[in-house]
Amino acid sequence: DTAVSQTPKYLVTQMGNDKSIKCEQNLGHDTMYWYKQDSKKFLKIMFSYNNKELIINETVPNRFSPKSPDKAHLNLHINSLELGDSAVYFCASSQREDEQFFGPGTRLTVL
Amino acid sequence: AQSVAQPEDQVNVAEGNPLTVKCTYSVSGNPYLFWYVQYPNRGLQFLLKYITGDNLVKGSYGFEAEFNKSQTSFHLKKPSALVSDSALYFCAVRDQAGTALIFGKGTTLSVSS
Repeated sequence: DTAVSQTPKYLVTQMGNDKSIKCEQNLGHDTMYWYKQDSKKFLKIMFSYNNKELIINETVPNRFSPKSPDKAHLNLHINSLELGDSAVYFCASSQREDEQFFGPGTRLTVL
Repeated sequence: AQSVAQPEDQVNVAEGNPLTVKCTYSVSGNPYLFWYVQYPNRGLQFLLKYITGDNLVKGSYGFEAEFNKSQTSFHLKKPSALVSDSALYFCAVRDQAGTALIFGKGTTLSVSS
C-alpha cells in the first residue's frame, strides 16, 4: 500500500490556468507538508499543516493555497500559473517531529 | 537560522569501496538531523536521523552517519558501496519551529562497477 500518494504524477498546462494537486496519506500522521523541488533539485518547504493549524511560508506567493479537507489529505491549489511555477511538487507527512515520508512527486510544466 | 551545507555536488566511488557524503549544519539549540535519498524520478526516501543519544546512527540499506557536535557535521557513510547506491542524497535539519525540514542542496553519489 502506498503511504503517501499524489495525483496527478504529471501536469502540463498553460500560463494563467488554475490547477490542483492532491495528496493523501494513510499513515495516520498528524502533519502534512508541501515542498517544491526546482530544476536544480533544490528542495524548499512551501507549507506545513498540523491538524487544525496551517503554517504558511511567507515566500510562497498567495496564488498557492493549501486545502486540507481532513487529516489524511492536503491538496495544493495554484491560481494563475506562471512559467516559474514549473517544478516538481512533493507532498510529505510525519507524526509530529518524526521523520517525514514523501510522496512520489508531481511534475508541473507550465507552457 | 537553521541551515545545512553539502560541500560536494558529486561524489564518485568504486563499488566495494567505502563512501562518505559530507554535511555540516548550523542550528540554534539541539539539532534534529536527517539523511534522505532520491532515486531518479522518485520521491525522497528516509535513511536515518539523529535526535539525541549515540553519535553513530545506523540507518537503512547499510548506511550510517556520524554526528560530531564540535565540527557541526553529520556525514553519511557506508563501508562498502554498491552500484545501486547511486542516487541524490540530501542532508536536512528540522527548522527551529519544528514545522519543516531545511535541506542541503544535495550530493549526487555515483558508484562505478
